[in-house]
Amino acid sequence: EAQVTQNPRYLITVTGKKLTVTCSQNMNHEYMSWYRQDPGLGLRQIYYSMNVEVTDKGDVPEGYKVSRKEKRNFPLILESPSPNQTSLYFCASGWPQHFGDGTRLSIL
Amino acid sequence: KNEVEQSPQNLTAQEGEFITINCSYSVGISALHWLQQHPGGGIVSLFMLSSGKKKHGRLIATINIQEKHSSLHITASHPRDSAVYICAPRMHLAGGGADGLTFGKGTHLIIQP
Repeated sequence: EAQVTQNPRYLITVTGKKLTVTCSQNMNHEYMSWYRQDPGLGLRQIYYSMNVEVTDKGDVPEGYKVSRKEKRNFPLILESPSPNQTSLYFCASGWPQHFGDGTRLSIL
Repeated sequence: KNEVEQSPQNLTAQEGEFITINCSYSVGISALHWLQQHPGGGIVSLFMLSSGKKKHGRLIATINIQEKHSSLHITASHPRDSAVYICAPRMHLAGGGADGLTFGKGTHLIIQP
């Protein structure tokens, strides 16, 4: 089954504790992207990748890192999470975009 | 930056009614998504279109690139159509540069039985 898999689905953590949200797709898509969704602000792009080893900033990249060492994986890294990064995060791949189920992140 | 305006923000209708959601954007785009998000939070891409019209079941999407406008129509609406519908134009600069979706704030649709 074609899918985008994110893990974890839910996470509560504390300020400053590094975390990684994984994203994997099995559709051989070159393009992958991360978005965050916040009440009143809607969805916004964090980072995207056109292909392996090619990544670029979206609209709200501050406080995040990404890597694309293999085509199928595109992890989102929060090296020093802060409460303003509490949000619902979506990974997506391909065109049209296939979305993962989302990761609800709470940073205390 | 691409400004995306959706209307209406909220819409409550009776089962069977014809529904129209509108989207306008400010800059040239390569394509436009219509997305559906149910209360559980998952997002599904309904359409990606770059010209004309697409139809899938009771859903129809149209786009006018010159007027920078797109519409999503639902015929014979049903309570299971209740969801948030999001317009998302794709910015894609030829020769490289930014590539990604910008998003409208969404239309909250409720279909009452």
